[in-house]
Amino acid sequence: QSALTQPPSASGSPGQSVTISCTGTSSDVGGYNYVSWYQQHPGKAPKLMIFDVSKRPSGVPDRFSGSKSGNTASLTVSGLQAEDEADYYCSSYAGSNKLVFGGGTRLTVL
Amino acid sequence: EVQLVQSGAEVKKPGESQKISCKGSGYSFASYWIGWVRQMPGKGLEWMGIISPGDSDTTYSPSFQGQVTISADKSISTAYLQWSSLKASDTAMYYCARRYDSTMGWFFDLWGRGTLVTVSS
Repeated sequence: QSALTQPPSASGSPGQSVTISCTGTSSDVGGYNYVSWYQQHPGKAPKLMIFDVSKRPSGVPDRFSGSKSGNTASLTVSGLQAEDEADYYCSSYAGSNKLVFGGGTRLTVL
Repeated sequence: EVQLVQSGAEVKKPGESQKISCKGSGYSFASYWIGWVRQMPGKGLEWMGIISPGDSDTTYSPSFQGQVTISADKSISTAYLQWSSLKASDTAMYYCARRYDSTMGWFFDLWGRGTLVTVSS
């Protein structure tokens, strides 16, 4: 059960869009539509941003969107804002009641 | 208010035992699985395991199987994470989180603020 692969960093200017990828295998990302994304600001607990690949919890701006193709899931943040600067983690169900996280991506708003 | 309240920071010595807690309130604690997540200093999130407080059914990540014990007491709406013999490498922030089961899968919708465990001689 290896961690999902995310780019260590991503960046964009205010107003731009940025996409963060999350690559797994057919045993996790590719095998289930159970991908979720979490935002973590420094010193804070993670916050759910996307669940079931592309659904947003109440209160999460529609600037955040998720998708999946094969073994790779993606989080897109449109209309970047300064408060979007944070670490982002994907996670996926990996079968047998187990979960796996990605290594995390630090998003910088230039 | 729906929340998970975790116990306070701990400083322990190598070889000591430790048990940290996560108390749920504002919802039916026994009806939702509780997971534990480790975050070592400056590192990412790692899923440790999950427990159903209703029947104590537990699943561990292979990486943490045998290293920690997850338990719960539904009568006091509290889940626990414990070590029998701490190592310096156990120094980390530990989060508990509530698992929400959707029609398609599950995810963590509610998180505690974390418990910092520092292991140092």
